Amino acid sequence: EVQLVESGGGLVQPGGSLRLSCAASGFTFSSYWMSWVRQAPGKGLEWVANINQDGSEKYYVDSVKGRFTISRDNAKNSLYLQMNSLRAEDTAVYYCARDRRVYCSGGSCYSIHDYWGQGTLVTVSS
Amino acid sequence: EIVMTQSPATLSVSPGERATLSCRASQSVSSNLAWYQQKPGQAPRLLIYGASTRATGIPARFSGSGSGTEFTLTISSLQSEDFAVYYCQQYNNWPPETFGQGTKLEIK
Repeated sequence: EVQLVESGGGLVQPGGSLRLSCAASGFTFSSYWMSWVRQAPGKGLEWVANINQDGSEKYYVDSVKGRFTISRDNAKNSLYLQMNSLRAEDTAVYYCARDRRVYCSGGSCYSIHDYWGQGTLVTVSS
Repeated sequence: EIVMTQSPATLSVSPGERATLSCRASQSVSSNLAWYQQKPGQAPRLLIYGASTRATGIPARFSGSGSGTEFTLTISSLQSEDFAVYYCQQYNNWPPETFGQGTKLEIK
């Protein structure tokens, strides 16, 4: 059974830092791209970042570029999100999600999020 | 960035009836469109991808259609467990992949 378990959320002051973790089990972690998706309280879903299988490719939404860093440790079956210079607008539940590749064509690949963790809440407030 | 617009924001339907949810993309996303269901306090669940392919374990009462910029999620006969928020997501042009703002399906 595929399981994704996030941890590391909490209350942090504006400008502070936090590191989220996602422990994966039930599948070959090193074979999949992985993503972080967040959801502000009462709002919709926002993709934050993703990373390829060996960590050599990383992509971010513009609003977190330069502040957040996605990484992984395949030996530990774990995904991470280092969040620096946190702002009030970063307050959200952060979900870890597995990316399943649907197909590749013309040099591009297209993936969906087929499994999600239960999320961890990050609150940025003074 | 592709903007996804869902309508209506809230849909009130009686159990046993059909529900039709819409999603529009600001530019063509081909068939690279997914639908997710989210219940209160839970993570999203993948329902449909490729605009019309049901994910593993998803009941046949859920169906998706469309391509390009116009998409529809239809639930043929609503069950009590189907009342939730539904999100569409394009994964054609990324980064960033983008989600719609959601449609809340509530009991009439």
